[in-house]
Amino acid sequence: EAGVTQFPSHSVIEKGQTVTLRCDPISGHDNLYWYRRVMGKEIKFLLHFVKESKQDESGMPNNRFLAERTGGTYSTLKVQPAELEDSGVYFCASSRATGDKGYTFGSGTRLTVV
Amino acid sequence: LAKTTQPISMDSYEGQEVNITCSHNNIATNDYITWYQQFPSQGPRFIIQGYKTKVTNEVASLFIPADRKSSTLSLPRVSLSDTAVYYCLVGAEYNFNKFYFGSGTKLNVKP
Repeated sequence: EAGVTQFPSHSVIEKGQTVTLRCDPISGHDNLYWYRRVMGKEIKFLLHFVKESKQDESGMPNNRFLAERTGGTYSTLKVQPAELEDSGVYFCASSRATGDKGYTFGSGTRLTVV
Repeated sequence: LAKTTQPISMDSYEGQEVNITCSHNNIATNDYITWYQQFPSQGPRFIIQGYKTKVTNEVASLFIPADRKSSTLSLPRVSLSDTAVYYCLVGAEYNFNKFYFGSGTKLNVKP
């Protein structure tokens, strides 16, 4: 089966601009997660979708971040306006509803804000 | 979230068995222990998961003592391609809402 796909793989934008990251989960995976690693720190949870609903968005850093998953398929994470501290790698992962041992992660999007 | 503590780095040689220990003193009753492997420029990859005692798959073994306050990932006969960061995560199996990744252990396998 195809894995979790993220694009773009790299994005360089200027401070104040908007960037939209996309994640395509494995087909049939109802659960979709966003994580990020910023400035060489630890990978941290951002939010969790179950189908199109936000199950937990407690990790979202502030209201400049907006995640959507219309139709319960792919998800987008928009950063508007981007700040320098948003630079890092954004990972998406997916899993089945229950009984799935572990997530499947995508390769991530490296975001650089200059 | 149950936090985990791992060594920052480890060195090994090809063909050796590598054991990476993780401490998780505040693990909850319904928490499972899961290990991930991450190569540069890739997302973390699931290796193994267990609740107690010992679990073995084609890649690794996971040893969990009775008190479950620690766990050990065992990689048999490592090769250069096993050089990666290994993360120990603790969370409820059916509540994978979020994991605490920690800093992970950077394993460096030398020829």
